[in-house]
Amino acid sequence: DAGVTQSPTHLIKTRGQQVTLRCSPKSGHDTVSWYQQALGQGPQFIFQYYEEEERQRGNFPDRFSGHQFPNYSSELNVNALLLGDSALYLCASSLGLTSSLGEQFFGPGTRLTVL
Amino acid sequence: GENVEQHPSTLSVQEGDSAVIKCTYSDSASNYFPWYKQELGKRPQLIIDIRSNVGEKKDQRIAVTLNKTAKHFSLHITETQPEDSAVYFCAAPSGSARQLTFGSGTQLTVLP
Repeated sequence: DAGVTQSPTHLIKTRGQQVTLRCSPKSGHDTVSWYQQALGQGPQFIFQYYEEEERQRGNFPDRFSGHQFPNYSSELNVNALLLGDSALYLCASSLGLTSSLGEQFFGPGTRLTVL
Repeated sequence: GENVEQHPSTLSVQEGDSAVIKCTYSDSASNYFPWYKQELGKRPQLIIDIRSNVGEKKDQRIAVTLNKTAKHFSLHITETQPEDSAVYFCAAPSGSARQLTFGSGTQLTVLP
């Protein structure tokens, strides 16, 4: 039973570039959430995908966009990278959109460094 | 939206002592409160969670208590060991959404 996987593990980009991060949810999960974790801080919610649609969005600019595929995997895209986008990007998977929130399982993260 | 405050930001205890970390939340509709442990360079891992229909939950050396009236919940670790050293995060959901709002984290250091 595979857990949440993310790729790549590390990435170095320069300001103004674009980046795509990938996530495969835990087997049996259909909902993917993305979080940004700056050094020394707690994860900050970016957005959530369910049934290939963005369902919830945190306080992040439109430079952050995403996609979910029919197999439930997801991508996070960030355009026009800024130095402040340097962080650990975490993907979390869960099951369904019910009123009873269940466990969210985190992937290992992608460490993005913007120079 | 939900606002979660976590205290203390750092905590040092002697091996074998207990550690307590406290969080408060703002959204009275929140009904699920997880605690995550994050070791350096690793992913957050769920260590215990509690739902709003119970006041306390235990799992071996760790326990979580919830006071819905006061809107706060706490993590208790007994008989601490050096391997308990990590950053601990509390979290709460935002109303009907499945997004989690995290506290700012507590760096726990267990001194041998």
